[in-house]
Amino acid sequence: DAGVIQSPRHEVTEMGQEVTLRCKPISGHDYLFWYRQTMMRGLELLIYFNNNVPIDDSGMPEDRFSAKMPNASFSTLKIQPSEPRDSAVYFCASSTTPGQGIYEQYFGPGTRLTVT
Amino acid sequence: QKEVEQNSGPLSVPEGAIASLNCTYSDRVSQSFFWYRQYSGKSPELIMSIYSNGDKEDGRFTAQLNKASQYVSLLIRDSQPSDSATYLCAVNAGGYQKVTFGTGTKLQVIP
Repeated sequence: DAGVIQSPRHEVTEMGQEVTLRCKPISGHDYLFWYRQTMMRGLELLIYFNNNVPIDDSGMPEDRFSAKMPNASFSTLKIQPSEPRDSAVYFCASSTTPGQGIYEQYFGPGTRLTVT
Repeated sequence: QKEVEQNSGPLSVPEGAIASLNCTYSDRVSQSFFWYRQYSGKSPELIMSIYSNGDKEDGRFTAQLNKASQYVSLLIRDSQPSDSATYLCAVNAGGYQKVTFGTGTKLQVIP
């Protein structure tokens, strides 16, 4: 089975430009998470969805960031306008509601974003 | 106080030795605990999950959980150079999908 798919794998853009990151969760998973990882702050949860509905967006750093999940197999994270401090690796992860209550998340390969 | 704390390392062990990685957490209602392995430049990979007090073994890996002490550990037996990576501890508060990650411990296995 295919894992979590993310695109692009690398993105280099100039400050002020719009950036859109894409994610396809594992088929059948009903939870989707967006994380950001930097050396300084580690792995931070930005937002997560359940059945395409945003549940917790308290980690979204500011209004420049937005995320959508129009259907069960696709999500986007958009940054507009981008700034150099947004440079990081952005991961998407998915999980499903298990019978025994352990929520195991599986990560995609990530998108390395560089804003110059 | 950080919610999930790990020693950043690096932890250096010789090949064939047991590597012991530790993690403490602050939220007493935490119910599920996870260990992820992350190679440099790669994404986190789930290697163990545990939710009951005691030990859980999977191959060369053993996760240990002590809820009273709010402590979870990962033991890697017969460490191999391929085990060299950063190990992330993650904690779930129960009832929710949200997990909190520690900053990771870098493990170096010396041939």
